[in-house]
Amino acid sequence: GNSVTQMEGPVTLSEEAFLTINCTYTATGYPSLFWYVQYPGEGLQLLLKATKADDKGSNKGFEATYRKETTSFHLEKGSVQVSDSAVYFCALNPNTGKLIFGQGTTLQVKP
Amino acid sequence: EAGVAQSPRYKIIEKRQSVAFWCNPISGHATLYWYQQILGQGPKLLIQFQNNGVVDDSQLPKDRFSAERLKGVDSTLKIQPAKLEDSAVYLCASSLALQTGGVYEQYFGPGTRLTVT
Repeated sequence: GNSVTQMEGPVTLSEEAFLTINCTYTATGYPSLFWYVQYPGEGLQLLLKATKADDKGSNKGFEATYRKETTSFHLEKGSVQVSDSAVYFCALNPNTGKLIFGQGTTLQVKP
Repeated sequence: EAGVAQSPRYKIIEKRQSVAFWCNPISGHATLYWYQQILGQGPKLLIQFQNNGVVDDSQLPKDRFSAERLKGVDSTLKIQPAKLEDSAVYLCASSLALQTGGVYEQYFGPGTRLTVT
């Protein structure tokens, strides 16, 4: 079946540190992959996406590359800010419309 | 452009009571989704509509949960009777029409936080 596994949180970093949040998936066929972010008190927002192998999604300084050989879609950012503190969800769409989410990783950035 | 609207934002009920949640998707979005997000977990799809037809309700506990999308616009999700384990945030999302091989962004509403005591 289809599933997504994310690294456990919380992840606590100092401002300007490098961020990696690991995400691996299991899927049949060729799913599309997403990162969603949930800021405190707000709804889920799409952060970035990739629809085929070797695609790189990017937005707001965040990047993730769709790696089919390792079934991974790790989220990275070179220099985090306090305003990046949020819960990050990795998700896949097996091209049926619905999203299958990981359990979420909480990021805390300290000044 | 207005986003996905949901109401109420918060609801507290006792077990065995019934509750209903309402969702108004973004105008022109044919596909509507209801997700359940239990604390500390990622959202899980309950039901997916395309216009007023059900595309996927395989994860919907049909003995107590029901959903409808009359006229292919607004949707209502109902729980009757509620159990303690139904405490969660219920998220509504919408997207452009489902298309084979197509991937459209889902836009999420703010959610309804349900507490069952």
